[in-house]
Amino acid sequence: ETGVTQSPTHLIKTRGQQVTLRCSSQSGHNTVSWYQQALGQGPQFIFQYYREEENGRGNFPPRFSGLQFPNYSSELNVNALELDDSALYLCASRSTLNTEAFFGQGTRLTVV
Amino acid sequence: DQQVKQNSPSLSVQEGRISILNCDYTNSMFDYFLWYKKYPAEGPTFLISISSIKDKNEDGRFTVFLNKSAKHLSLHIVPSQPGDSAVYFCAASLPSGQLTFGSGTQLTVLP
Repeated sequence: ETGVTQSPTHLIKTRGQQVTLRCSSQSGHNTVSWYQQALGQGPQFIFQYYREEENGRGNFPPRFSGLQFPNYSSELNVNALELDDSALYLCASRSTLNTEAFFGQGTRLTVV
Repeated sequence: DQQVKQNSPSLSVQEGRISILNCDYTNSMFDYFLWYKKYPAEGPTFLISISSIKDKNEDGRFTVFLNKSAKHLSLHIVPSQPGDSAVYFCAASLPSGQLTFGSGTQLTVLP
Protein backbone atom coordinates (compact mmCIF):
# COMPACT_ATOMS: atom_id res chain seq x y z
CA GLU A 1 0.00 0.00 0.00
CA THR A 2 1.48 3.35 -1.08
CA GLY A 3 1.28 6.19 1.44
CA VAL A 4 0.74 9.89 0.80
CA THR A 5 3.57 11.39 -1.23
CA GLN A 6 4.26 15.06 -1.87
CA SER A 7 6.54 16.86 -4.30
CA PRO A 8 8.79 18.69 -4.21
CA THR A 9 10.20 18.30 -0.70
CA HIS A 10 11.81 21.75 -0.67
CA LEU A 11 11.24 24.86 -2.74
CA ILE A 12 12.54 28.44 -2.74
CA LYS A 13 10.49 31.12 -4.48
CA THR A 14 10.64 34.90 -4.79
CA ARG A 15 7.92 37.18 -3.43
CA GLY A 16 5.22 37.74 -6.05
CA GLN A 17 5.82 34.45 -7.86
CA GLN A 18 3.38 31.55 -8.15
CA VAL A 19 3.93 28.00 -6.89
CA THR A 20 2.28 24.60 -7.43
CA LEU A 21 2.66 21.79 -4.91
CA ARG A 22 1.61 18.21 -5.67
CA CYS A 23 0.21 15.33 -3.66
CA SER A 24 -0.59 11.71 -4.40
CA SER A 25 -3.21 10.26 -2.09
CA GLN A 26 -2.94 6.97 -0.30
CA SER A 27 -4.49 4.12 -2.25
CA GLY A 28 -8.25 3.88 -1.67
CA HIS A 29 -8.55 7.43 -0.25
CA ASN A 30 -10.95 9.77 -2.04
CA THR A 31 -10.68 12.88 0.14
CA VAL A 32 -7.63 15.11 0.25
CA SER A 33 -6.90 18.11 2.48
CA TRP A 34 -4.11 20.67 2.56
CA TYR A 35 -2.62 22.25 5.66
CA GLN A 36 -0.09 25.01 6.28
CA GLN A 37 2.26 24.64 9.24
CA ALA A 38 4.23 27.70 10.27
CA LEU A 39 7.23 27.31 12.55
CA GLY A 40 6.27 26.50 16.13
CA GLN A 41 2.56 26.12 15.33
CA GLY A 42 0.15 23.33 14.57
CA PRO A 43 -1.05 22.70 11.01
CA GLN A 44 -3.78 25.10 9.80
CA PHE A 45 -6.52 23.82 7.49
CA ILE A 46 -6.44 25.39 4.01
CA PHE A 47 -9.09 23.40 2.12
CA GLN A 48 -10.45 19.94 1.38
CA TYR A 49 -11.44 18.19 -1.86
CA TYR A 50 -13.82 15.32 -2.41
CA ARG A 51 -14.65 13.96 -5.87
CA GLU A 52 -12.80 16.86 -7.51
CA GLU A 53 -14.91 19.49 -5.70
CA GLU A 54 -13.79 21.77 -2.90
CA ASN A 55 -16.01 20.94 0.09
CA GLY A 56 -14.44 22.93 2.89
CA ARG A 57 -12.13 25.91 3.22
CA GLY A 58 -10.25 27.48 6.09
CA ASN A 59 -9.35 31.12 6.64
CA PHE A 60 -7.05 31.52 3.63
CA PRO A 61 -7.33 34.12 0.84
CA PRO A 62 -8.44 33.22 -2.71
CA ARG A 63 -4.84 33.26 -3.97
CA PHE A 64 -4.67 29.81 -2.37
CA SER A 65 -6.43 27.44 -4.75
CA GLY A 66 -6.45 23.74 -5.47
CA LEU A 67 -7.42 20.91 -7.73
CA GLN A 68 -8.23 17.25 -7.27
CA PHE A 69 -7.89 14.89 -10.22
CA PRO A 70 -9.91 11.77 -11.10
CA ASN A 71 -7.15 9.57 -9.64
CA TYR A 72 -7.56 11.53 -6.35
CA SER A 73 -4.17 13.21 -6.61
CA SER A 74 -4.18 16.92 -5.85
CA GLU A 75 -2.45 20.24 -6.38
CA LEU A 76 -2.15 23.32 -4.20
CA ASN A 77 -1.53 26.58 -6.06
CA VAL A 78 -0.48 29.81 -4.40
CA ASN A 79 -0.37 33.03 -6.41
CA ALA A 80 1.36 36.31 -5.58
CA LEU A 81 3.57 34.73 -2.93
CA GLU A 82 4.22 36.69 0.26
CA LEU A 83 7.03 36.26 2.76
CA ASP A 84 4.51 34.95 5.33
CA ASP A 85 3.65 32.07 3.00
CA SER A 86 6.95 30.48 4.02
CA ALA A 87 5.89 27.30 5.83
CA LEU A 88 5.61 23.52 5.65
CA TYR A 89 2.67 22.52 3.44
CA LEU A 90 1.10 19.21 4.31
CA CYS A 91 -1.26 17.09 2.29
CA ALA A 92 -3.50 14.54 4.00
CA SER A 93 -5.77 11.89 2.52
CA ARG A 94 -8.51 9.75 3.99
CA SER A 95 -11.39 7.56 3.03
CA THR A 96 -14.88 8.91 3.69
CA LEU A 97 -15.42 5.72 5.71
CA ASN A 98 -12.83 6.78 8.27
CA THR A 99 -11.98 9.93 10.18
CA GLU A 100 -8.24 9.25 10.41
CA ALA A 101 -6.28 11.36 7.94
CA PHE A 102 -2.83 10.25 6.83
CA PHE A 103 -0.22 12.86 6.02
CA GLY A 104 2.58 13.16 3.51
CA GLN A 105 6.06 14.32 4.50
CA GLY A 106 5.30 17.88 3.46
CA THR A 107 6.81 20.49 1.16
CA ARG A 108 8.98 23.13 2.79
CA LEU A 109 8.33 26.42 0.95
CA THR A 110 10.63 29.38 1.51
CA VAL A 111 9.65 32.75 0.04
CA VAL A 112 12.48 35.28 -0.22
CA ASP B 1 -9.49 32.22 18.45
CA GLN B 2 -7.77 28.96 19.29
CA GLN B 3 -10.38 26.22 19.31
CA VAL B 4 -7.87 23.54 20.29
CA LYS B 5 -5.22 24.29 22.90
CA GLN B 6 -2.22 22.41 24.16
CA ASN B 7 -1.02 24.51 27.05
CA SER B 8 2.24 22.66 27.70
CA PRO B 9 4.83 23.37 24.99
CA SER B 10 7.16 20.73 26.44
CA LEU B 11 7.22 17.72 28.75
CA SER B 12 10.14 15.62 30.02
CA VAL B 13 9.60 12.13 31.41
CA GLN B 14 11.90 9.36 32.59
CA GLU B 15 11.98 6.19 30.51
CA GLY B 16 9.49 3.61 31.83
CA ARG B 17 7.26 6.20 33.50
CA ILE B 18 3.92 7.52 32.30
CA SER B 19 3.67 10.47 29.90
CA ILE B 20 0.44 12.48 30.06
CA LEU B 21 -0.25 15.02 27.32
CA ASN B 22 -3.25 17.31 27.65
CA CYS B 23 -5.53 19.12 25.23
CA ASP B 24 -8.53 21.43 25.64
CA TYR B 25 -11.13 22.43 23.05
CA THR B 26 -13.97 24.91 22.83
CA ASN B 27 -16.11 23.90 19.84
CA SER B 28 -18.96 21.50 20.73
CA MET B 29 -19.33 20.58 17.05
CA PHE B 30 -16.15 18.48 17.10
CA ASP B 31 -17.17 14.82 16.80
CA TYR B 32 -13.81 13.07 16.73
CA PHE B 33 -10.44 13.66 18.36
CA LEU B 34 -7.06 12.45 17.16
CA TRP B 35 -3.47 12.43 18.32
CA TYR B 36 -0.56 12.73 15.92
CA LYS B 37 3.15 12.36 16.50
CA LYS B 38 5.65 14.35 14.46
CA TYR B 39 9.38 14.00 13.98
CA PRO B 40 11.40 16.83 12.38
CA ALA B 41 11.32 16.82 8.56
CA GLU B 42 8.42 14.34 8.50
CA GLY B 43 4.67 14.67 8.23
CA PRO B 44 2.44 13.95 11.26
CA THR B 45 1.88 10.26 11.96
CA PHE B 46 -1.53 9.14 13.19
CA LEU B 47 -1.43 7.55 16.66
CA ILE B 48 -4.87 7.07 18.11
CA SER B 49 -8.35 8.58 17.96
CA ILE B 50 -11.57 8.70 19.94
CA SER B 51 -15.15 9.39 19.01
CA SER B 52 -17.01 12.06 20.98
CA ILE B 53 -19.46 9.40 22.17
CA LYS B 54 -16.71 7.44 23.95
CA ASP B 55 -14.65 8.36 27.00
CA LYS B 56 -11.67 6.06 26.53
CA ASN B 57 -9.80 4.32 23.74
CA GLU B 58 -6.76 2.14 24.20
CA ASP B 59 -4.17 0.87 21.72
CA GLY B 60 -1.15 -0.84 23.19
CA ARG B 61 0.87 1.64 25.23
CA PHE B 62 -1.38 4.54 24.17
CA THR B 63 -4.66 5.47 25.82
CA VAL B 64 -6.77 8.53 25.06
CA PHE B 65 -9.29 9.82 27.59
CA LEU B 66 -12.10 12.23 26.73
CA ASN B 67 -13.98 14.34 29.27
CA LYS B 68 -16.71 15.91 27.18
CA SER B 69 -18.21 18.01 29.96
CA ALA B 70 -14.83 19.62 30.60
CA LYS B 71 -13.97 19.71 26.88
CA HIS B 72 -10.66 18.06 27.74
CA LEU B 73 -8.75 15.10 26.41
CA SER B 74 -5.48 13.50 27.35
CA LEU B 75 -3.06 11.01 25.87
CA HIS B 76 -1.35 8.56 28.23
CA ILE B 77 1.77 6.69 27.14
CA VAL B 78 2.78 3.82 29.41
CA PRO B 79 5.59 2.90 29.63
CA SER B 80 7.36 5.79 27.92
CA GLN B 81 10.30 4.90 25.68
CA PRO B 82 13.10 7.11 24.27
CA GLY B 83 11.70 6.52 20.76
CA ASP B 84 8.51 8.29 21.86
CA SER B 85 10.41 11.60 21.94
CA ALA B 86 8.68 13.80 19.35
CA VAL B 87 6.14 16.61 19.03
CA TYR B 88 2.61 15.44 19.79
CA PHE B 89 -0.37 17.22 18.24
CA CYS B 90 -3.93 17.01 19.41
CA ALA B 91 -6.48 17.45 16.59
CA ALA B 92 -10.25 17.79 16.61
CA SER B 93 -12.43 16.86 13.66
CA LEU B 94 -15.65 18.39 12.43
CA PRO B 95 -18.17 16.04 10.76
CA SER B 96 -16.78 17.24 7.39
CA GLY B 97 -13.37 15.80 8.31
CA GLN B 98 -11.73 19.22 8.68
CA LEU B 99 -9.08 18.99 11.39
CA THR B 100 -8.20 21.75 13.86
CA PHE B 101 -4.83 21.23 15.52
CA GLY B 102 -3.32 22.39 18.77
CA SER B 103 0.13 23.97 18.81
CA GLY B 104 1.84 20.77 19.93
CA THR B 105 3.76 19.44 22.93
CA GLN B 106 7.42 18.44 22.64
CA LEU B 107 7.82 15.19 24.59
CA THR B 108 11.32 14.17 25.67
CA VAL B 109 11.77 10.74 27.20
CA LEU B 110 15.01 10.58 29.15
CA PRO B 111 16.90 7.25 29.26
